[in-house]
Amino acid sequence: ILNVEQSPQSLHVQEGDSTNFTCSFPSSNFYALHWYRWETAKSPEALFVMTLNGDEKKKGRISATLNTKEGYSYLYIKGSQPEDSATYLCASDTGRRALTFGSGTRLQVQP
Amino acid sequence: GAGVSQSPSNKVTEKGKDVELRCDPISGHTALYWYRQSLGQGLEFLIYFQGNSAPDKSGLPSDRFSAERTGGSVSTLTIQRTQQEDSAVYLCASSSKQGSYNSPLHFGNGTRLTVT
Repeated sequence: ILNVEQSPQSLHVQEGDSTNFTCSFPSSNFYALHWYRWETAKSPEALFVMTLNGDEKKKGRISATLNTKEGYSYLYIKGSQPEDSATYLCASDTGRRALTFGSGTRLQVQP
Repeated sequence: GAGVSQSPSNKVTEKGKDVELRCDPISGHTALYWYRQSLGQGLEFLIYFQGNSAPDKSGLPSDRFSAERTGGSVSTLTIQRTQQEDSAVYLCASSSKQGSYNSPLHFGNGTRLTVT
């Protein structure tokens, strides 16, 4: 994998559903993997910065896992709420330049 | 405390005009980034400043784009002879990255540029 890829592109779920998205990134020259939430009309907000293989981070109902050997990270949202509606971005840091962002997963949670 | 500040928040300009976009990073942050998001696209890297090192300009799409960072703080992104394809949201971010890769980016609210 040469670029940062995210799937799915968009997701519609009902309030209370749990969901997850995938971020694939180059596993060579890995330094860190970032997750951001970008709500409409706001600026992207950092959720997690992960550096260690096997790392798991949690923030309320949101958690993330990291596999640096195979180059993927999962973001999980448990019991989705309408306020979780946003675009979720991941970004790879290879230590050589600025972060490379994926195109994001747009989540819409229906009440 | 104060976050990353960008100005103007919106800019409408005529094709062929020059524009300047300003970014005030968080005080003490050594790294400053410019990205842009065109309609329906992801975040596109433009330029990266880290401390006193030479900036990474590899993302600038053409020689009409330039950026500077004065005194290690405020940055200005200049677009000369604007074209319609320059229309996008231009985002600035800063981080305290200095040998540590745990530092998240702090984004400004962006400048929405519309070239008519």
